[in-house]
Amino acid sequence: EIVLTQSPATLSLSPGERATLSCRASQSLSGYLAWYQQKPGQAPRLLIYDTSNRGTGTPARFSGSGSGTDFTLTISSLEPEDFAVYYCQQRADRPLTFGQGTRLEIK
Amino acid sequence: EVQLLESGGGLVQPGGSLRLSCAASGFSFSSYAMNWVRQPPGKGLEWVSSITNAGSSTHYADSVKGRFTISRDNSKSTLDLQMNSLRAKDTATYYCVKPLVGTGTFDSWGQGALVTVSS
Repeated sequence: EIVLTQSPATLSLSPGERATLSCRASQSLSGYLAWYQQKPGQAPRLLIYDTSNRGTGTPARFSGSGSGTDFTLTISSLEPEDFAVYYCQQRADRPLTFGQGTRLEIK
Repeated sequence: EVQLLESGGGLVQPGGSLRLSCAASGFSFSSYAMNWVRQPPGKGLEWVSSITNAGSSTHYADSVKGRFTISRDNSKSTLDLQMNSLRAKDTATYYCVKPLVGTGTFDSWGQGALVTVSS
């Protein structure tokens, strides 16, 4: 099973700042990594798939990068609605697995 | 617009059974594999099970293998999850999830059904 480790567990930033979230895999993902955003009481929402492709409706301030085992989600300038929990997920191998999440909170 | 509506959640005793259903609309259901993903209260996400578009092949997480059964009815655009021998650790919100076509990336999620296993 591919293990995904997200860091940091919690990130405290202010609106307007740049956020950088990390996801490291236990083996190469061949670029098959997605990012999801989840707000309290809501289902997750797809933001980025296959490393760098934005999902439908994902704002341009969200970008993904990386290769091999190391991936990054960057939010260029935080908006108030961006404070949430973010999960990475791999589809390179079964079982499909998620990272444990990064909580992005308002500083 | 894609809609996924889960039903069947509730409180069940350890060792009991429960059947979740998901009614899908807004897309060509029979063209997509479908998945169940769960989330224990206050915790992260776990993929549970998937089924191919024709229903000919299924996959399960080790944590539910032998206890849960996924099935679908393409004529009714419904997805089911039969859960037997339930344990306290199965307590979670269960999401019906549609993938991007031909992938294991989840692009549409239902609102979730809460399953609580407790005596």
